[in-house]
Amino acid sequence: GENVEQHPSTLSVQEGDSAVIKCTYSDSASNYFPWYKQELGKRPQLIIDIRSNVGEKKDQRIAVTLNKTAKHFSLHITETQPEDSAVYFCAYNAGNMLTFGGGTRLMVKP
Amino acid sequence: DTEVTQTPKHLVMGMTNKKSLKCEQHMGHRAMYWYKQKAKKPPELMFVYSYEKLSINESVPSRFSPECPNSSLLNLHLHALQPEDSALYLCASSPKTSGGYEQYFGPGTRLTVT
Repeated sequence: GENVEQHPSTLSVQEGDSAVIKCTYSDSASNYFPWYKQELGKRPQLIIDIRSNVGEKKDQRIAVTLNKTAKHFSLHITETQPEDSAVYFCAYNAGNMLTFGGGTRLMVKP
Repeated sequence: DTEVTQTPKHLVMGMTNKKSLKCEQHMGHRAMYWYKQKAKKPPELMFVYSYEKLSINESVPSRFSPECPNSSLLNLHLHALQPEDSALYLCASSPKTSGGYEQYFGPGTRLTVT
């Protein structure tokens, strides 16, 4: 079936540094690419999303880039803060449902 | 109201019990989902309801039985579960299933099967 590979599985950065998480997908028909943040014991929450007619989208310290030709999209977090520590999931729509990446555990050290 | 609610928060049940998980949203969304999430794993889709009709069943065992009584409510009936069914069960909703829309997740029900 369709899948999405997410890397790295864990990422440790110093507070103030940038963090980048990358996902590669296989379904060329996909047109919606959200990123979810899930803190320990909490629900997944959408932090940013991008559609296939846009190459980049930014919201304060968070940005997402999409390369449809190469079938990959990335999450960029700048000036990381301890509260950014969480598991981040990329996803893309395949047919009528979202397919999630395996997740990246981000740890921001103060 | 931009929230999906789920009850109960926690549930412990034996393998012979019958219980139900409940999910509610009042955002007018016409698509609702059940996911299962094991520790350190992504959400795994179980069922999709579109306009109150079951549209996707991801080969889920029959001991899980979904129900959508109306456009705001989604239930998951549980019967004769196994210990490996212990997980966080997440409900989500979105305006529609097609075209790519944000899915709003509920807080989940943490299920333990003993």
